[in-house]
Amino acid sequence: QSVLTQPPSVSEAPRQRVTISCSGSGSNIGNNAVNWYQQFPGRAPKLLIYFDDQLPSGVPDRFSGSKSGTAASLAISGLQSDDEADYFCAAWDDTLNGPVFGGGTKLTVL
Amino acid sequence: QVQLQESGPGRVKPSETLSLTCTVSGGSVSGDYWSWVRQPPGKGLEWIGYIYYSGSTKYNPSLKSRVTISIDTSMNQFSLKLNSVTAADTAVYYCARFIPGAYYFDYWGRGTLVTVSS
Repeated sequence: QSVLTQPPSVSEAPRQRVTISCSGSGSNIGNNAVNWYQQFPGRAPKLLIYFDDQLPSGVPDRFSGSKSGTAASLAISGLQSDDEADYFCAAWDDTLNGPVFGGGTKLTVL
Repeated sequence: QVQLQESGPGRVKPSETLSLTCTVSGGSVSGDYWSWVRQPPGKGLEWIGYIYYSGSTKYNPSLKSRVTISIDTSMNQFSLKLNSVTAADTAVYYCARFIPGAYYFDYWGRGTLVTVSS
């Protein structure tokens, strides 16, 4: 059971917009930055969003992150088939005194 | 561009010690934090622990009694030892650079599958 809660799967049509939610608590999302990772099958995770809403160099601005209270969201606009992957949220947890992850959300582009 | 590469046995027997090494290229381990993260087949990610180049460490409390992470700055490597392994420790093990403050992992190795089986 993951500390952060994500929907197991989401799906949307190409060129549409999809959001993936991530729910936590005051000891993690509510008090620390949220980061998002993209992972293709058999590949290592790749940093997608850091510090709630910052994009690393090279990440398209179709990806965006937001946070409110103890919940965060990843939005992907202009969906492409290449966006089909697993997406994980993560944050520092003050109780664990370490980083925690969500269980991951599998995105299907219909 | 920093690159990380995990190495070590792909199979470990129950009750024995899992040992992995991460070799860093394109940069130095000095000055940074380095971490291990694992992912059981078909499951989510779990942070194992991290080490600062000076040697100070922090571990996941759920694994702390069995984990040791060490660093060799002269070899530009850091290592993971997990003792008394069981089938539940079967996972892909990733090494990654950890950024404090925002607490994210920016560079990852490709991962190595370790299976615990007799």
